[in-house]
Amino acid sequence: DTGVSQNPRHKITKRGQNVTFRCDPISEHNRLYWYRQTLGQGPEFLTYFQNEAQLEKSRLLSDRFSAERPKGSFSTLEIQRTEQGDSAMYLCASSSSDGLSSEQYFGPGTRLTVT
Amino acid sequence: GESVGLHLPTLSVQEGDNSIINCAYSNSASDYFIWYKQESGKGPQFIIDIRSNMDKRQGQRVTVLLNKTVKHLSLQIAATQPGDSAVYFCAENSGGSNYKLTFGKGTLLTVNP
Repeated sequence: DTGVSQNPRHKITKRGQNVTFRCDPISEHNRLYWYRQTLGQGPEFLTYFQNEAQLEKSRLLSDRFSAERPKGSFSTLEIQRTEQGDSAMYLCASSSSDGLSSEQYFGPGTRLTVT
Repeated sequence: GESVGLHLPTLSVQEGDNSIINCAYSNSASDYFIWYKQESGKGPQFIIDIRSNMDKRQGQRVTVLLNKTVKHLSLQIAATQPGDSAVYFCAENSGGSNYKLTFGKGTLLTVNP
């Protein structure tokens, strides 16, 4: 499978714990995005990387959230001191900046449940 | 603030009929729009996109129409099949940068056999 992959697919954690999610983009894509999706809503943009540089962060991304893409390939999203309101599906997407094609391809998501 | 929204939250059609899903956007500066399909438990799947210098684009069984005058986007699915049952989202780029997407709320399409 050469699509975007995310791990784990599901995570259940207790309030106050830290969690980390991983995203592996399509190999030739230099852009990587994180979104959050709650039930019945469309995905909401969180942050964006071009290669290893984090170029934009949404105001939705509080200080408890941090994302990295150290080698410009895979990315991690960490949530510290989780809260029940963090329960959501966390989606990763990637795209290429070459040419006019800029569609974002999404992974299957990591569903986080904070109890 | 700027937003992308859908006129109908649910749409039920008979197998073989054509489906039309509508979307209104409010950011007149947006120049790139995408339709995604999302099945239960899966990430959004790219269907078709269109840039603001076009008013129509066709794919396999799908057509996207863009009306910039009234800021309206639609997705037409021909000969709808049960496998088309899913939530459909329209999305627009924000800030003309072609990277950050703003999604609408979604329309649930149900295809009855």
